[in-house]
Amino acid sequence: AQSVTQLGSHVSVSEGALVLLRCNYSSSVPPYLFWYVQYPNQGLQLLLKYTSAATLVKGINGFEAEFKKSETSFHLTKPSAHMSDAAEYFCAVTHRGGGNKLTFGTGTQLKVEL
Amino acid sequence: KAGVTQTPRYLIKTRGQQVTLSCSPISGHRSVSWYQQTPGQGLQFLFEYFSETQRNKGNFPGRFSGRQFSNSRSEMNVSTLELGDSALYLCASRTGTSSTDTQYFGPGTRLTVL
Repeated sequence: AQSVTQLGSHVSVSEGALVLLRCNYSSSVPPYLFWYVQYPNQGLQLLLKYTSAATLVKGINGFEAEFKKSETSFHLTKPSAHMSDAAEYFCAVTHRGGGNKLTFGTGTQLKVEL
Repeated sequence: KAGVTQTPRYLIKTRGQQVTLSCSPISGHRSVSWYQQTPGQGLQFLFEYFSETQRNKGNFPGRFSGRQFSNSRSEMNVSTLELGDSALYLCASRTGTSSTDTQYFGPGTRLTVL
């Protein structure tokens, strides 16, 4: 079975500050990892994904994440937060042969303050 | 290219009734998945269809069912609605069946059961 743990259900940062959203996974097989963002009353939008190629993955809107097998982590970062980054972020895991079945974390609500 | 569309966007039903939700995938996408999102349980996988065949199913009771048509459009049905079925139901589509393919989510259908 696979699982994802997102530490911190709410994270608050100042505009211009570093954004760090934490994701740890558990998987008995090599994982594929994803970060999605959800704005109010909208569906999920893919930010980036790790599919066993480069461990440092760059995504949209200046976000990036690093896959660290030794730490079973896939934390999401952005050097400088913008007001428009305020949203809920979900980390998800699947594996080869896992099809469409993504296992999601419980989400982290990011608040960006002036 | 138009995104994933879901209809209706909002729905109110009473306990015991049944409901059908519709999802039109992105043109050319043959794989459709459904997820349930609730504040308590988070995002949970319901089922996945490819070429009109169910390929994967989550841990939901038999009251939840789905199907896919030859044009890749999909419907999900919930019979004998319970209060706990109130949720945002998200549909996602992608081109094929590889776990590394990006899933594109629709805006969801918000179901309220009274």
